Amino acid sequence: QVQLQESGPGLVKPSQTLSLTCTVSGGSISSGGYYWSWIRQHPGKGLEWIGYIYYSGSTYYNPSLKSRVTISVDTSKNQFSLKLSSVTAADTAVYYCARELMNQLPNFDYWGQGTLVTVSS
Amino acid sequence: EIVLTQSPGTLSLSPGERATLSCRASQSVSSSYLAWYQQKPGQAPRLLIYGASSRATGIPDRFSGSGSGTDFTLTISRLEPEDFAVYYCQQYGSSRTFGGGTKVEIK
Repeated sequence: QVQLQESGPGLVKPSQTLSLTCTVSGGSISSGGYYWSWIRQHPGKGLEWIGYIYYSGSTYYNPSLKSRVTISVDTSKNQFSLKLSSVTAADTAVYYCARELMNQLPNFDYWGQGTLVTVSS
Repeated sequence: EIVLTQSPGTLSLSPGERATLSCRASQSVSSSYLAWYQQKPGQAPRLLIYGASSRATGIPDRFSGSGSGTDFTLTISRLEPEDFAVYYCQQYGSSRTFGGGTKVEIK
């Protein structure tokens, strides 16, 4: 059973960089066939896809966040990470990592439990 | 960017009733690239339907998806107590976007 677990600071100051890591267990990121995504949910609101990375390191970001987002992968640790720069209160959200199946019928089949990140001084 | 509009925003129904949720896209989406998720308070979303009409593993057959082009529907044939939740549609055709959600609440 694949499991994803987010980790990182729950509080970030405005203008700083938000950094989160997703640790994958029960399966190898390097096995291929999946994109590894970050998705966020503002309090009481809907879901916003941030971007994904493939185990090879190729990435694709939401155009609305592209200038501030970096997603990286560490296959030796079976982890992938999110960095979001120049954060403001508008970046306060629950951040989820998720696995996206790459095939003719893509879907986010496994999700982490989510971690709340608050941007405040 | 493809915008997904879900309606209604809230659906008030009783257990045993049928729920019909709509998802309309701002431009055509391949049926292969449309999914539905269920989210309960404090939990991550759970995949229900992918490819517009294929049920994910372990999803009861009271959940069904249909539609094509710009109009998609999630139907819950007979609501069980555990089905009261928020439902999101999502597309993969152009970037990835989610609809705003439909809350199914107990009447």
